[in-house]
Amino acid sequence: AQSVTQLGSHVSVSEGALVLLRCNYSSSVPPYLFWYVQYPNQGLQLLLKYTTGATLVKGINGFEAEFKKSETSFHLTKPSAHMSDAAEYFCAVTSDTGTASKLTFGTGTRLQVTL
Amino acid sequence: DAGVIQSPRHEVTEMGQEVTLRCKPISGHDYLFWYRQTMMRGLELLIYFNNNVPIDDSGMPEDRFSAKMPNASFSTLKIQPSEPRDSAVYFCASSLSGGRNFYGYTFGSGTRLTVV
Repeated sequence: AQSVTQLGSHVSVSEGALVLLRCNYSSSVPPYLFWYVQYPNQGLQLLLKYTTGATLVKGINGFEAEFKKSETSFHLTKPSAHMSDAAEYFCAVTSDTGTASKLTFGTGTRLQVTL
Repeated sequence: DAGVIQSPRHEVTEMGQEVTLRCKPISGHDYLFWYRQTMMRGLELLIYFNNNVPIDDSGMPEDRFSAKMPNASFSTLKIQPSEPRDSAVYFCASSLSGGRNFYGYTFGSGTRLTVV
């Protein structure tokens, strides 16, 4: 079984401040991990993903995430927040790396960016 | 590729009416998923298909909901009869299986359904 926990349903940061969105996963086998972003009135869009290899992965819009197996975490960061980063962010995991690749999504974290 | 295409973008209907939501997945993708998103319940998986065959419909809330995938390029989600509590945004997503080459899902823009 696989699951994802996103700590904090709402996070507020000032423009220019560090963004840190937390994601912890549970998986019985090495997972594939994803972050998706959803802007208002839009569908979910892939931000970045980890499958194998380098544990620090870079995504679009300056975001990055680090896979830490010992902490079962995949936190999303961005050094400097921009107003346009205001959105909802979803972490997702799959352990089904064979043919049945079904993602399990977290409950989402809404990021607010203030002036 | 135009991505996953959903129609209509918005649907307003009266309680008791039949509603049909449509989805065209990305060409070549072999998985198709239907999700429902509400403020109260977040993102819920309703049903998914593999190679046009329904694999898991345990998320379908009631018998009023049904989904079909008659071919690889088209799927429908039908609600009959509709109720106000069905008001939500419905998303379709598709993906290509492939182990290490799994790139996740591509989502459509959603259909915002309002039942009055």
